[in-house]
Amino acid sequence: SAVISQKPSRDICQRGTSLTIQCQVDSQVTMMFWYRQQPGQSLTLIATANQGSEATYESGFVIDKFPISRPNLTFSTLTVSNMSPEDSSIYLCSVDVMNTEAFFGQGTRLTVV
Amino acid sequence: LAKTTQPISMDSYEGQEVNITCSHNNIATNDYITWYQQFPSQGPRFIIQGYKTKVTNEVASLFIPADRKSSTLSLPRVSLSDTAVYYCLVGDGMWGGYNKLIFGAGTRLAVHP
Repeated sequence: SAVISQKPSRDICQRGTSLTIQCQVDSQVTMMFWYRQQPGQSLTLIATANQGSEATYESGFVIDKFPISRPNLTFSTLTVSNMSPEDSSIYLCSVDVMNTEAFFGQGTRLTVV
Repeated sequence: LAKTTQPISMDSYEGQEVNITCSHNNIATNDYITWYQQFPSQGPRFIIQGYKTKVTNEVASLFIPADRKSSTLSLPRVSLSDTAVYYCLVGDGMWGGYNKLIFGAGTRLAVHP
């Protein structure tokens, strides 16, 4: 199994600013994933982050808006840049552990005002 | 990744058995079927996975017919705490291609007293 800690758990931000979300895992993992979940909706995959390489973004998501870092096998950050109210969402980090089930963090609830 | 279709919502009462069916007509030979559960303000949690016939664990059973074009998640004797959104996912690999989980709309289950 894996224990994932996300910080912050929630934040209220002004439009035009940026927020960096941290994801810390208690074990080394090859791949980490970032999702967005808008109110009342399902999860949408933003990007896949491998250590030592650039993140792979899904259609509709770009690096300039959602830069991702993956400096080691237990940590990743997602930045939401130049925020607008439409970015208000829950952002979740997920990992796989040696090809077992996926584990998710508790999420970061972001409100942009 | 195969597309899945589930009912948007279901209602049940405490103590009843709940069956949630998922259609995946385009499932590939090496695809597994995986179900996740998500409570409000939490990340999704793995429930069960199967390839064919029946799988049972301490939480649920998963029934998969011979043609594998659908699957049914069965929750025995639900309680109020089973109120959640249930996601059916289909993907390749031993663990259902979880490396890149693509979530459908899910089924919102409400359990009433």
